[in-house]
Amino acid sequence: AQKVTQAQTEISVVEKEDVTLDCVYETRDTTYYLFWYKQPPSGELVFLIRRNSFDEQNEISGRYSWNFQKSTSSFNFTITASQVVDSAVYFCALSDPAGANNLFFGTGTRLTVIP
Amino acid sequence: NAGVMQNPRHLVRRRGQEARLRCSPMKGHSHVYWYRQLPEEGLKFMVYLQKENIIDESGMPKERFSAEFPKEGPSILRIQQVVRGDSAAYFCASSPITVHGYTFGSGTRLTVV
Repeated sequence: AQKVTQAQTEISVVEKEDVTLDCVYETRDTTYYLFWYKQPPSGELVFLIRRNSFDEQNEISGRYSWNFQKSTSSFNFTITASQVVDSAVYFCALSDPAGANNLFFGTGTRLTVIP
Repeated sequence: NAGVMQNPRHLVRRRGQEARLRCSPMKGHSHVYWYRQLPEEGLKFMVYLQKENIIDESGMPKERFSAEFPKEGPSILRIQQVVRGDSAAYFCASSPITVHGYTFGSGTRLTVV
């Protein structure tokens, strides 16, 4: 069965600090996709990244970076030099391998960046 | 290039009433997915539809909930005889082929009073 664990319920950092959000997943399938979404206070879901299970290269996009470690089933997300606008709930998700029809979400990490 | 449009944005219903949530997928997207987010929780898959077909409803509650995606018009998630526990944010997503091209709408926040 698919499962996504985001052990950090809430994190607070001071502006300009770096912060890493952890995501650990469980799946029996060899082919799957991992996602990160941001949910700001306004409530919508903002897509951040999709990574397939065959690509273990780390990715960087501006202040955001992702570390995919298949050996530890982790897909961690780092924000460098955090800003107040980064305050949001961040969700990690895993695709359903059977039909790739739906996503399994973690319970989210609420990040608060203090000015 | 309108995204996935959901309406209403907020919906208040009294216990026992019906709630109808609408989702218009992105242009060119023929796959629609509904998710529910209970307060302080992650999103949970409910149902996956293509035009005029329910493909996977494994996440739908067995009673009171139904979904459709007609040939013409938006997808509708219908909740009959709402109860307080139905209060949640309901998100719709659409994709052209599979989950790889997922786009979420802004959600409908249902409050049952």
